[in-house]
Amino acid sequence: ETGVTQTPRHLVMGMTNKKSLKCEQHLGHNAMYWYKQSAKKPLELMFVYNFKEQTENNSVPSRFSPECPNSSHLFLHLHTLQPEDSALYLCASSPEGGSRNQPQHFGDGTRLSIL
Amino acid sequence: KQEVTQIPAALSVPEGENLVLNCSFTDSAIYNLQWFRQDPGKGLTSLLLIQSSQREQTSGRLNASLDKSSGRSTLYIAASQPGDSATYLCAVLFVGAGNKLTFGGGTRVLVKP
Repeated sequence: ETGVTQTPRHLVMGMTNKKSLKCEQHLGHNAMYWYKQSAKKPLELMFVYNFKEQTENNSVPSRFSPECPNSSHLFLHLHTLQPEDSALYLCASSPEGGSRNQPQHFGDGTRLSIL
Repeated sequence: KQEVTQIPAALSVPEGENLVLNCSFTDSAIYNLQWFRQDPGKGLTSLLLIQSSQREQTSGRLNASLDKSSGRSTLYIAASQPGDSATYLCAVLFVGAGNKLTFGGGTRVLVKP
């Protein structure tokens, strides 16, 4: 078990659909992250939450809407997505967002395909 | 611009050979550098984290070195095994970048039996 669980593992949706990705961590961490991994591009940070507060938004389009109801759960709400949004979306957590020397722990990701 | 580069993008070696993976970064002002492993269809597994003040880290058959002045890190995997086949990612936490890890494009490794 990775300690960071993401659901669903795979998602296919049309451009007009609304769906949500879920991430849950069982590590007692206080910081959670969303990353996007596209084919042929390096992994990119999207959002950071530290103690439930959003501390970073890496110029992500508003069609991606994150939500962090508590330190253990993180959601990514999706609406009106584009084909170029097809990618692997990875969630990660770490003890605290400001800690410089703690590795991040990753989930297995949600493979998203936009039709 | 703060960037991380990994060359080559892919590498194939026979079993038993030592693996040498390279990572370069453009700014020497860093907090740490991390090496991750990613298996197909899976997330990232943290292998080693080297703090800015350190020159190397070791874990089992893995050894990672850090040379900030030249902007380079090298991951050595001794006596490679087919189970080492995966993509290896380097990520840097640059000073002034908040919590944003900057990733390289990865090196895809195949260890042939």
